[in-house]
Formats: sequence, structure tokens, C-alpha cells
Amino acid sequence: NAGVMQNPRHLVRRRGQEARLRCSPMKGHSHVYWYRQLPEEGLKFMVYLQKENIIDESGMPKERFSAEFPKEGPSILRIQQVVRGDSAAYFCASSPWTGEGYTFGSGTRLTVV
Amino acid sequence: KNQVEQSPQSLIILEGKNCTLQCNYTVSPFSNLRWYKQDTGRGPVSLTIMTFSENTKSNGRYTATLDADTKQSSLHITASQLSDSASYICVVSVGQAGTALIFGKGTTLSVSS
Repeated sequence: NAGVMQNPRHLVRRRGQEARLRCSPMKGHSHVYWYRQLPEEGLKFMVYLQKENIIDESGMPKERFSAEFPKEGPSILRIQQVVRGDSAAYFCASSPWTGEGYTFGSGTRLTVV
Repeated sequence: KNQVEQSPQSLIILEGKNCTLQCNYTVSPFSNLRWYKQDTGRGPVSLTIMTFSENTKSNGRYTATLDADTKQSSLHITASQLSDSASYICVVSVGQAGTALIFGKGTTLSVSS
């Protein structure tokens, strides 16, 4: 079991470009959560998804950010028209059922230049 | 407002010494409290998880305590090792399903030889 896999580990984008972050949950996990960690800050909840459904996106910025977890393939966090303030570490976690057995990936560090 | 406050912000100790990290929370409704260890450049890894009825839980040299009345938790590390150098994050789960996690900013522990 490879654990929660996130890629890329590091991503550099110029302002105005799009960033796509991928998360493959642990085998058997159908719940995926995305978090953002700004420098010197704690992790902040962004969105919670199950297969093909967004369950809770209360932490997601209303514009430019979107997330999906298709029936096949990894979960994708998409940031359009990135700005410098989007620079952060984005972590994905998965669990087999609601709220339990959280396992985090190693994160994607996004740098916007 | 749901908040998790940790102290101290950072701590330096000598190898072999013990230390205690503190966590105060104002979260309602409380579901459970978790302590995570986050190594630099990695995702958080779960150390302990405690529900409302549990006062203490151990994981090797890590012992967590919970006082649900005062809404305080502590993480005690015994006989510290160089590999204990990391950020220790207190996380409180909100609600009955526990899907919303409120993260503290963490305590950065440095163990020196």
C-alpha cells in the first residue's frame, strides 16, 4: 500500500497560469480532503470529496479554485489564474469512511513567481 | 469561533530530556482530539487520537492527555531523540461525524545533541 500519493511534489507557476494538483488516495479510501498550509500557519480545510461528489467545500475560495474526484483516477485540485498569494503547501488526506483513519500525503508545494 | 491554540510556538531541548507541549481549544461540538507529527517537507502523521471520554493515550514515548472540562490537552515526549525534531500539531475534530478538523499552528520542537 503506497499511502496517499500527491504529485507533483513541487510546482512552480507564473502569475496567471493554471495549477493542477493531483492526489491518489490510499487503496480502499473513498473520502478525500484537501488542505492548504501557508508559511507559519496551520493547515486549513479547503474541501471534502467522495467519488464524483463534493461533500463540503466551505473552505474553498469562491473564485479560481475547484476540485473534483472522478469515478476513475485521482482527485484534482485546480487553481486558475494563480496569484502570489496562492503560494503554499497543499496537502491531501484520505480516509476509508467519514472522519476516521485520516492519512495525509506528503503535499505539493506551489510557488507562484 | 472554533480555535486551537498551541504553546510554546517553538522549543529547543537536549537529547534525552523530556518535554510537554500544550494545546487549548474552543471547539464545539467536540468530536475528538488528535496529535500529529509533521517532519519538514512531509505530511502530518498521526500520533494519538482521543475521544471525549479518554483522559490519556500513549504511543511509545509519546503520551497525550485530555481534559475535556478545561478544554486542554498536552503531549508529553519522554527521553527525546534527534528524530523527534519536527512540528507537533494539535487537531480538534468538530461535529458528530468529525469531518471538520481544526488545526493548531503547531509547536516546532528541535532536539539537539
